[in-house]
Amino acid sequence: NAGVTQTPKFQVLKTGQSMTLQCAQDMNHNSMYWYRQDPGMGLRLIYYSASEGTTDKGEVPNGYNVSRLNKREFSLRLESAAPSQTSVYFCASSRTSAETQYFGPGTRLLVL
Amino acid sequence: QKEVEQNSGPLSVPEGAIASLNCTYSDRGSQSFFWYRQYSGKSPELIMFIYSNGDKEDGRFTAQLNKASQYVSLLIRDSQPSDSATYLCAVNGSGGFKTIFGAGTRLFVKA
Repeated sequence: NAGVTQTPKFQVLKTGQSMTLQCAQDMNHNSMYWYRQDPGMGLRLIYYSASEGTTDKGEVPNGYNVSRLNKREFSLRLESAAPSQTSVYFCASSRTSAETQYFGPGTRLLVL
Repeated sequence: QKEVEQNSGPLSVPEGAIASLNCTYSDRGSQSFFWYRQYSGKSPELIMFIYSNGDKEDGRFTAQLNKASQYVSLLIRDSQPSDSATYLCAVNGSGGFKTIFGAGTRLFVKA
């Protein structure tokens, strides 16, 4: 039982490049989330998926897109990376949207 | 006004003391309240959740909820250096779809 896994662990991009962050959970959870964490800012919700087949914007969705590929997988795409997107990205999942969230190990992204 | 507010700290307490962490929230209809611990360079992990007014105890940790005052707190008894971390308060709002995190309080426990 791996819980929530994320790939890659670390990535360096140049401004304008694109990439996809992958997330998968093996806990049969319905809800999944993408957050970014910057120093002093706490966790900010980018997008979430309350259940398979649905996605909704969070607090800071601009510059990102998501895909809930199936119940297990939820990916985050940066179409044209900007230095302001340098951050640590966490994926999380929960049984329902009102319950405890379980976090992946995070992806450290540096955009030059 | 931020939806979930915490004192950023750092809060420094001696080993063996009680650490008190506080959080206020703005959505009066909030139903679920969580405390997560995050060590430097790691991901957040749940310490406790609380749904009802009053106290909930789990080992050295006690969560306290006062919905009338829109206030939730975490007490850590017999604090240990290993408790040194950032503590995140999280609140699930009345809509039930989104959990909002506070910015966290940094706790240092001095040996």
